[in-house]
Amino acid sequence: NAGVTQTPKFQVLKTGQSMTLQCAQDMNHEYMSWYRQDPGMGLRLIHYSVGAGITDQGEVPNGYNVSRSTTEDFPLRLLSAAPSQTSVYFCASRESGRNYGYTFGSGTRLTVV
Amino acid sequence: AQTVTQSQPEMSVQEAETVTLSCTYDTSENNYYLFWYKQPPSRQMILVIRQEAYKQQNATENRFSVNFQKAAKSFSLKISDSQLGDTAMYFCAFSYNTNAGKSTFGDGTTLTVKP
Repeated sequence: NAGVTQTPKFQVLKTGQSMTLQCAQDMNHEYMSWYRQDPGMGLRLIHYSVGAGITDQGEVPNGYNVSRSTTEDFPLRLLSAAPSQTSVYFCASRESGRNYGYTFGSGTRLTVV
Repeated sequence: AQTVTQSQPEMSVQEAETVTLSCTYDTSENNYYLFWYKQPPSRQMILVIRQEAYKQQNATENRFSVNFQKAAKSFSLKISDSQLGDTAMYFCAFSYNTNAGKSTFGDGTTLTVKP
């Protein structure tokens, strides 16, 4: 099925470890974004991209890096995991023209101990 | 920056009844989009309904409809004939079509449909 694929679905990290959350979409969407969801706080934008080779920071970018080498892939890297990064992470994509809303991945639940 | 406020953290409704979820937002622009997303216990975020600000007609999708009051900056979601499968968290979201279309989300309303 077409859509946004996120891996892994669950992950436990130790403080200081690094890891990459993978995101891939097969809808040829130009726009891709990473959000984190914390209890009672809705979704907050971490980083976003408007096309291959172009990324920018969102509301809460500290501790995360992104790159966009292809239209399909938009990985999120945690540089040195901290307990404050315990959250659910969502990747989302949408077309660059008229805004029909996001298609979301199924999310990654990350726990940092 | 725009803000989105959902003032009802939790709501409940009896099966087959109607419920309305509230959302207000703040912007100085005229051209924008508003959305309601549903997040069931499975965690998957699903687009429920979409409204373009320049359209005066309220959007409708089957049992879901909105009451869009542009001057009041209000965007409520009405769910008619509530079903058990409507139990979920509902997020209101705001987006410009420019600025990479980044969306700002409210904190969500947890809706429980009771049998």
